[in-house]
Amino acid sequence: GAVVSQHPSRVICKSGTSVKIECRSLDFQATTMFWYRQFPKQSLMLMATSNEGSKATYEQGVEKDKFLINHASLTLSTLTVTSAHPEDSSFYICSANGQDLSYEQYFGPGTRLTVT
Amino acid sequence: DAKTTQPPSMDCAEGRAANLPCNHSTISGNEYVYWYRQIHSQGPQYIIHGLKNNETNEMASLIITEDRKSSTLILPHATLRDTAVYYCIVRGPNAGNNRKLIWGLGTSLAVNP
Repeated sequence: GAVVSQHPSRVICKSGTSVKIECRSLDFQATTMFWYRQFPKQSLMLMATSNEGSKATYEQGVEKDKFLINHASLTLSTLTVTSAHPEDSSFYICSANGQDLSYEQYFGPGTRLTVT
Repeated sequence: DAKTTQPPSMDCAEGRAANLPCNHSTISGNEYVYWYRQIHSQGPQYIIHGLKNNETNEMASLIITEDRKSSTLILPHATLRDTAVYYCIVRGPNAGNNRKLIWGLGTSLAVNP
């Protein structure tokens, strides 16, 4: 149990376009989902926390208008990188927790975004 | 949440025990010690967590000192597939569902044949 999936696993897009990344909890209800970004040889940096049905809470320095997060259901959250630029190229990871799992976080496999 | 200090890298021979240390001298009484690992280009994987007693599961053992200021993750028989970055994280209890995980740089463990 406690499986989190992400789609796509890899994406290459052109500068100026938008990219949507999906995060799904496959076998539990995710009341909260977390979005992280990880640059090469660096640690995970929390971008935002989203609760189902409410607006996401962004960490300091993360532009909410650039990184749109939607958590419309208990099993799906999406992160849209708008007007992507090469410096947005990174490894994006989501995690989810839920009441049934005593609120422990379970992680998706990550999405590698490359902006050309 | 308390900070943690880990060595940046370690080596271990395949089949031997890997002992990964973590210092968390400012840990509070209700904070847990969590260990995750991240294999290259994958999402983090939960390993184990504990409060003050030693813990063991199918993946590893966690030894927490009596004063709780440090801990050691033990992989009893390391394999090549255990090569990963290991993160030690201290966090409060899951009172509510918005507990953040603060990630350091972890320890890069290389298991050698």
